[in-house]
Amino acid sequence: QSALTQPPSASGSPGQSVTISCTGTTSDVGGYNHVSWYQQHPGKAPKLLIYEVTKRPSGVPNRFSGSKSGNTASLTVSGLQTEDEADYYCGSFAGSVNLWVFGGGTKLAVL
Amino acid sequence: QVQLQQSGPGLVKPWQTLSLTCAISGDSVSTKSATWEWFRQSPSRGLEWLGRTYYKSKWFYDYAVSVKSRITVNPDTSKNQFSLQLNSVTPEDTALYYCARGNNWAFDVWGQGTMVAVSS
Repeated sequence: QSALTQPPSASGSPGQSVTISCTGTTSDVGGYNHVSWYQQHPGKAPKLLIYEVTKRPSGVPNRFSGSKSGNTASLTVSGLQTEDEADYYCGSFAGSVNLWVFGGGTKLAVL
Repeated sequence: QVQLQQSGPGLVKPWQTLSLTCAISGDSVSTKSATWEWFRQSPSRGLEWLGRTYYKSKWFYDYAVSVKSRITVNPDTSKNQFSLQLNSVTPEDTALYYCARGNNWAFDVWGQGTMVAVSS
């Protein structure tokens, strides 16, 4: 069982927006601004989409945005495109004992 | 452009040692601005962080509690790579293993992944 809780699935139509949640505790998501999001297409390695809650690496479209409130972080994908269909994982720093924890992943369908 | 190239066997016998290597191009394992990490991914355990090494005037190592007694991550400065060794493996260690670069409190470059099965 993953340390962070994500919904197993989400869906939207092309052009719509969808938000994926990631719930942790005060020991991880709520305690640090070190939340990141990853996109993973089948058979591929994860790709960094968001780091430090809200920041986008160069090359990531601004359709992807991140936020956090309390112990829950969120990823919003706006203007859904068919290529956004993938698995999405959140990760958070969790302190000096077990440094990094992840969510179980959300499968996004673009219908 | 930073790239990570993984190598190592895809099949390991129970109670033996799993060994993988991650070769770095476009960056240095000795850089003071990044960390070098290992993960695994399986249906039962999801995406799991295993351990890391990094250099800040000396080498540092951090390991996940779940594997701490069995894992070693080592840098190899002569070949600009780093390695994962996981001892006494069982079928529960069957997973897709990834190396990655840690940067800005996230993981921005990933290896291609190596599927490792533990079976006799």
